[in-house]
Amino acid sequence: SQQGEEDPQALSIQEGENATMNCSYKTSINNLQWYRQNSGRGLVHLILIRSNEREKHSGRLRVTLDTSKKSSSLLITASRAADTASYFCALYSGAGSYQLTFGKGTKLSVIP
Amino acid sequence: DTGVSQDPRHKITKRGQNVTFRCDPISEHNRLYWYRQTLGQGPEFLTYFQNEAQLEKSRLLSDRFSAERPKGSFSTLEIQRTEQGDSAMYLCASSRGTAGTEAFFGQGTRLTVV
Repeated sequence: SQQGEEDPQALSIQEGENATMNCSYKTSINNLQWYRQNSGRGLVHLILIRSNEREKHSGRLRVTLDTSKKSSSLLITASRAADTASYFCALYSGAGSYQLTFGKGTKLSVIP
Repeated sequence: DTGVSQDPRHKITKRGQNVTFRCDPISEHNRLYWYRQTLGQGPEFLTYFQNEAQLEKSRLLSDRFSAERPKGSFSTLEIQRTEQGDSAMYLCASSRGTAGTEAFFGQGTRLTVV
């Protein structure tokens, strides 16, 4: 099974700035998902983008998907201190695979 | 609370002891996943159930690990003869029946083997 790889591994920004993190993968996908994890807690689903979609919005989140480049990006606009967390991309690889795999994540720190 | 719940939240055990964790998924979800997460890493897939059938197991799941989901409801993950390398957060997630949907995670069980 494949997993996505997030970039950068860590990101530190000031409150109010935008944060962009990227995810690259290697083979075909049905969809790609982004999750957030606050320190020591469980993961929370943020957004799912299907392989036939190019962009999706949810509140201050914007996700893009470029299947030709096998990459996705997550943009958080007007960041807040509460956005401090680790962000993971996750994907199911191929038909019949129920294995939802995660990358190592991007650790975002938003400084008040 | 209708989310995924895990019990216990924390477990400290001595090396060589057996431990068992429980996961109660969202009631209408027939898919259930177990993951292991160590510090600074993403969750690593361990195993997957569709109803009561265990359909996928990771190579990470050695013969000291066993998981069950009797009657397709709650699930248990047992680790026998624990080792210090088993120290990690064990996460459970559930999802609806269609492949490719979002997964809902519990808060995890943090295992420390001393």
